[in-house]
Amino acid sequence: DIVLTQSPALAVSLGQRATISCRASQSVSISRYNLMHWYQQKPGQQPKLLIYRASNLASGIPARFSGSGSGTDFTLTINPVQADDIATYYCQQSRESPPTFGGGTKLELK
Amino acid sequence: QVQLKESGPGLVQPSETLSLTCTVSGFSLTSYSVSWVRQPSGKGPEWMGRMWYDGDTAYNSALKSRLSISRDTSKNQVFLKMNSLQTDDTGTYYCTRDYPGITPYFDYWGQGVMVTVSS
Repeated sequence: DIVLTQSPALAVSLGQRATISCRASQSVSISRYNLMHWYQQKPGQQPKLLIYRASNLASGIPARFSGSGSGTDFTLTINPVQADDIATYYCQQSRESPPTFGGGTKLELK
Repeated sequence: QVQLKESGPGLVQPSETLSLTCTVSGFSLTSYSVSWVRQPSGKGPEWMGRMWYDGDTAYNSALKSRLSISRDTSKNQVFLKMNSLQTDDTGTYYCTRDYPGITPYFDYWGQGVMVTVSS
């Protein structure tokens, strides 16, 4: 299985930029498709799709969220961070079955 | 609008079988695939398996021997059955709609159902 590694936590100030990283144990890109996706999960809620295929904003997601990366290294950026963004963020790959998730990065206020 | 809702028992005895139902609305089970994803408290989600739109199934090899996914398209329901439950099967179980494609991602999630395995 492809293992996705995320830092457990990131502290950020409101109004600043947050950069959350995800590293895959092998490439999750096929041709021009980068098969990495990002989800936001607030306490007591289900995960919500933010970014699909590395850099595409899901419907209804604010433009302060963006994604980048290819191969094994991917980044979710939130700029500027707002209070409503405090949550845990998960990356997920669909390059190979089974689809796998990272352990999550908890975004905290500094 | 797209909605998914999981239902089932909150408490299961060790070694017993878990049965969950996912009832969907706003889309057709013959056009979209549905996955089951579970999440232990404080940990990342784990994909369990999928009911493809064409009726085929796919399972996580780690769970395949214990897991069965089926559906009733007339009732817009997808079912999960997993046997021989142990305490480390405790967690929240979600059903998701899978965005179409050979490598789908999960564009809508149900609210989840908390399952505790305990005697």
